[in-house]
Amino acid sequence: DIVMTQSPDSLAVSLGERATINCKSSQSVLYSANNKNYLAWYQQKPGQPPKLLIYWASTRESGVPERFSGGGSGTDFTLTISSLQAEDVAVYYCQQYDTAPVTFGQGTRLEIK
Amino acid sequence: QVQLVESGGGVVRPGRSLRLSCTASGFTFSSYGMHWVRQVPGKGLEWVAVIWHDGSKKYYGDSVKGRFTISRDNSKNTLYLEMNSLRAEDTAVYYCARSGCSKTSCYTRHFDLWGRGTLVTVSS
Repeated sequence: DIVMTQSPDSLAVSLGERATINCKSSQSVLYSANNKNYLAWYQQKPGQPPKLLIYWASTRESGVPERFSGGGSGTDFTLTISSLQAEDVAVYYCQQYDTAPVTFGQGTRLEIK
Repeated sequence: QVQLVESGGGVVRPGRSLRLSCTASGFTFSSYGMHWVRQVPGKGLEWVAVIWHDGSKKYYGDSVKGRFTISRDNSKNTLYLEMNSLRAEDTAVYYCARSGCSKTSCYTRHFDLWGRGTLVTVSS
């Protein structure tokens, strides 16, 4: 199985500041035939299901604010929130869907400093 | 309204069975792969199973293989998870989620819609 490792486990950022979450996969999730990274990011707020933010590593889901962006390729990826808002407090998960079984990172808890 | 609604959770004794349902609305259910994902309260996400849009293929995570069965009824817009030989470690919130399908796979896509989940508690 591909192991997804996120860092840090928790993060506290001031309102308006940048937040960056890292995700590393144990093997590449880049499919050379179409040059796509099979990597998604989800946001989960307390008591709610996960919500898709980013797919193909860098494509923002419809309706997701522009302050959320995804980057990286191969085995190393980042989720960046350019200017943290209060409503961004949540746990964030990366997921690979390149190789069965689908696997998720352990989650990063984002809080306000 | 595009949504998924799970039902069927509850408290069950170890070794017993339970069937979860996930009812879809607002989209063409038969065009999407469907998954079950579970989450122990306060913990991370674990993928459980997937079924192709037409029911032709099914895959399971190692922790549930041989005990759980995923199925769907496209005429009823409903996904199921039959859970047998339940264990305490199966206690979790169970979410259904949809993914698109490529020409060859309903597996290699992100999950763009999730239900709110149903809690399964396995306890004596």
